[in-house]
Amino acid sequence: KAGVTQTPRYLIKTRGQQVTLSCSPISGHRSVSWYQQTPGQGLQFLFEYFSETQRNKGNFPGRFSGRQFSNSRSEMNVSTLELGDSALYLCASSSQAYTGELFFGEGSRLTVL
Amino acid sequence: EDQVTQSPEALRLQEGESSSLNCSYTVSGLRGLFWYRQDPGKGPEFLFTLYSAGEEKEKERLKATLTKKESFLHITAPKPEDSATYLCAVQAVGETSGSRLTFGEGTQLTVNP
Repeated sequence: KAGVTQTPRYLIKTRGQQVTLSCSPISGHRSVSWYQQTPGQGLQFLFEYFSETQRNKGNFPGRFSGRQFSNSRSEMNVSTLELGDSALYLCASSSQAYTGELFFGEGSRLTVL
Repeated sequence: EDQVTQSPEALRLQEGESSSLNCSYTVSGLRGLFWYRQDPGKGPEFLFTLYSAGEEKEKERLKATLTKKESFLHITAPKPEDSATYLCAVQAVGETSGSRLTFGEGTQLTVNP
């Protein structure tokens, strides 16, 4: 069974640009969550989608947005990039609602110059 | 606000030298406490779920325990392949919590041969 796939794995952007990251969950998983990981803050919850509905959102500015498609694939978008947005963005999927047993992808590493 | 604090930040052990990692938490109501392992350049990998005080889970050289305020990850006779960052996370009860996890910053474990 294929794991969680995230694309792109690495990307470099400049301040003010926008970026879209993609996540394909494990087949059959309907819940997708996104986390931001930085050396100073650790893993911070961004948002969670279940059956195309955003179920939960973390304390991030409105520049961070996401969506989920009918095939459970998810995208997250960051507009007007800032230097502090440089991070590893991790996507995780799960087979059930309300479970903390998440399957993570390898992440998309974003560098903002 | 849910909080998770892990100690120590880093730990160096000799192969075979047993030790414990600590995770202290505050949460409005605990649905579950989770341990993950993260290797460099990879996403976190699920290890254990603990639901109530007194519960213990074991897997190979790892044993996780839970009290009302903290969790321990005991590593018995570690091997170099156990080197990784170990992350603790909590999930709060409530309809709005979904699969949202609050993570600690992790303990970076190095096991020397």
